[in-house]
Amino acid sequence: DAKTTQPNSMESNEEEPVHLPCNHSTISGTDYIHWYRQLPSQGPEYVIHGLTSNVNNRMASLAIAEDRKSSTLILHRATLRDAAVYYCNVLTGKLIFGQGTTLQVKP
Amino acid sequence: NAGVTQTPKFQVLKTGQSMTLQCAQDMNHNSMYWYRQDPGMGLRLIYYSASEGTTDKGEVPNGYNVSRLNKREFSLRLESAAPSQTSVYFCASSAGGSLTYEQYFGPGTRLTVT
Repeated sequence: DAKTTQPNSMESNEEEPVHLPCNHSTISGTDYIHWYRQLPSQGPEYVIHGLTSNVNNRMASLAIAEDRKSSTLILHRATLRDAAVYYCNVLTGKLIFGQGTTLQVKP
Repeated sequence: NAGVTQTPKFQVLKTGQSMTLQCAQDMNHNSMYWYRQDPGMGLRLIYYSASEGTTDKGEVPNGYNVSRLNKREFSLRLESAAPSQTSVYFCASSAGGSLTYEQYFGPGTRLTVT
């Protein structure tokens, strides 16, 4: 199972873009990259996932490095509601959540 | 649609007591999961059910049993609760068992064992 490494915490200003990095150097060719987030006192919420190509949806964009050893979740304009713990998962078979990155958004 | 629902929302047990956590989904999903989250930590998979009639152990299955009652419902049972099982329990479901499918989570059950 591929191990992921994320910074423990990051800060952003409201309405600015946020780039959340994730390293997954042991990823295999068939491993999908999934991002979830968890708002305070709530269950995790799916954000986005991808395999090789960059992906966009209404919540965020996912930029995947050409060698797939790292990825970046991009929130284009952070809002206060985006303050959460963001989990990067790279695994075949089951999701295993690590410590994630705690994102603080300052007004 | 309610999505994934869990009952109860809160529960306090004494050591040695038993209880069942209930989970139901109305999205016609094939796969369902139980996780626990301890304070300041990520989620850990307890058990999962890839499809109706099947269950498999996850990362931390000791002290728990599960039942996939039907396609909608997946319950988690603590036969003899211990203080180490104090945690927040999340149920999730997905359309399929592979990671091409996103998981949808319930609001959680906060369990305290004294």
